[in-house]
Amino acid sequence: DIQLTQSPSSVSASVGDRVTITCRASRVITSWLAWYQQKPGKAPKLLIYGISSLQSGVPSRFSGSGSGTDFTLTISSLQPEDFATYYCQQANSFLSFGGGTKVDVK
Amino acid sequence: EVQLMESGGALVQPGGSLRLSCAASGFTFGSYWMTWVRQAPGKGLEWVANIKQGGSETYYVDSVKGRFTISRDNAKKSLFLQMNSLRAEDTAVYYCATGYYHYDNWGQGTLVTVSS
Repeated sequence: DIQLTQSPSSVSASVGDRVTITCRASRVITSWLAWYQQKPGKAPKLLIYGISSLQSGVPSRFSGSGSGTDFTLTISSLQPEDFATYYCQQANSFLSFGGGTKVDVK
Repeated sequence: EVQLMESGGALVQPGGSLRLSCAASGFTFGSYWMTWVRQAPGKGLEWVANIKQGGSETYYVDSVKGRFTISRDNAKKSLFLQMNSLRAEDTAVYYCATGYYHYDNWGQGTLVTVSS
């Protein structure tokens, strides 16, 4: 099974900041890497799939990149509605999620 | 509009059983892999099980193998999770979701609490 390690586990940021979250896999992932946003008491929401494809309806300030074992979710200019917890997820070998990264107000 | 509605969550004693349901609407249910994902209180997401479109293939996380069974009824557009021999560590919100490689639609979740 592939283990996913997200860093940082939490980040404090301000509106307008550029935020980068990293997801490191224990083995190479070829293509099936996704990112989700979750707000308290709500179901997760798909943001990015296939490493870098933006889900329909998701603002373009969200982007995904990476290859091999290192992947990144970037929020180019943080908006008030972006304060949430973010998870990466892989489907290259079975299925697993990263531990999450909480983005809160600085 | 795609809608997924879980039900069946409850307080159950250790060793007990529970059956979760997920009612789907707004899409061709039988054309999609379906998945259960859970989230323990204050913790991250954990994939639990998934099932192929026709039900011929099912997969489980190791911690539930032999105790949980995922199934579906495409005619009724419903997904199920039969949970037996429940443990305290199964306490979580259980979500159903569409997809295999990634999950683009989610229900609101149903809470399962395993406690004496």
